[in-house]
Amino acid sequence: GAVVSQHPSWVICKSGTSVKIECRSLDFQATTMFWYRQFPKQSLMLMATSNEGSKATYEQGVEKDKFLINHASLTLSTLTVTSAHPEDSSFYICSAQTGMAGELFFGEGSRLTVL
Amino acid sequence: DQQVKQNSPSLSVQEGRISILNCDYTNSMFDYFLWYKKYPAEGPTFLISISSIKDKNEDGRFTVFLNKSAKHLSLHIVPSQPGDSAVYFCAARPLGATNKLIFGTGTLLAVQP
Repeated sequence: GAVVSQHPSWVICKSGTSVKIECRSLDFQATTMFWYRQFPKQSLMLMATSNEGSKATYEQGVEKDKFLINHASLTLSTLTVTSAHPEDSSFYICSAQTGMAGELFFGEGSRLTVL
Repeated sequence: DQQVKQNSPSLSVQEGRISILNCDYTNSMFDYFLWYKKYPAEGPTFLISISSIKDKNEDGRFTVFLNKSAKHLSLHIVPSQPGDSAVYFCAARPLGATNKLIFGTGTLLAVQP
């Protein structure tokens, strides 16, 4: 199947700093990528839908100024957690779809810990 | 409001037996349901899906059943293997929202050798 890779897989940062997480589709072009957040023992919550070349669409309750999403190319979307706080500590997962209605493939996730 | 629910946070099954994972949903406007498998510190991997117009889909050891009147779906794994031990998420796709999935809370399956 297609491969989606996230980097970094884990990151520890100080409160107030910004952290960038990359999501790459390695062997296919993804016009749409999705960013999820997972708290311990909870479901994956969709944060935003990222479309190449346009602004991301955020889910209700997700602060777009805090979670900046950039989908600059057909193979790369980035999530930047700005001015991170301990409550932002979570597991962030991206997914990418092949084509307009293709199968979804998930990245391996990025564990963010904010001290 | 949790639209997709997996009421059993964990399930333990003996190797070779059947594993049944359950999922309930509240929204009638879902047109597609999927099951994903997830290992710790990894992203989910697609397992099997079913369209809302069907009531059963089978793929090898995995079978998904959909009961629309009860708004319930289940994943059957038979025979269960130790390598099946993982967290299983069911997900539902709202009608017209391609790949905008709503996930359940997951069920941790432990298959005992």
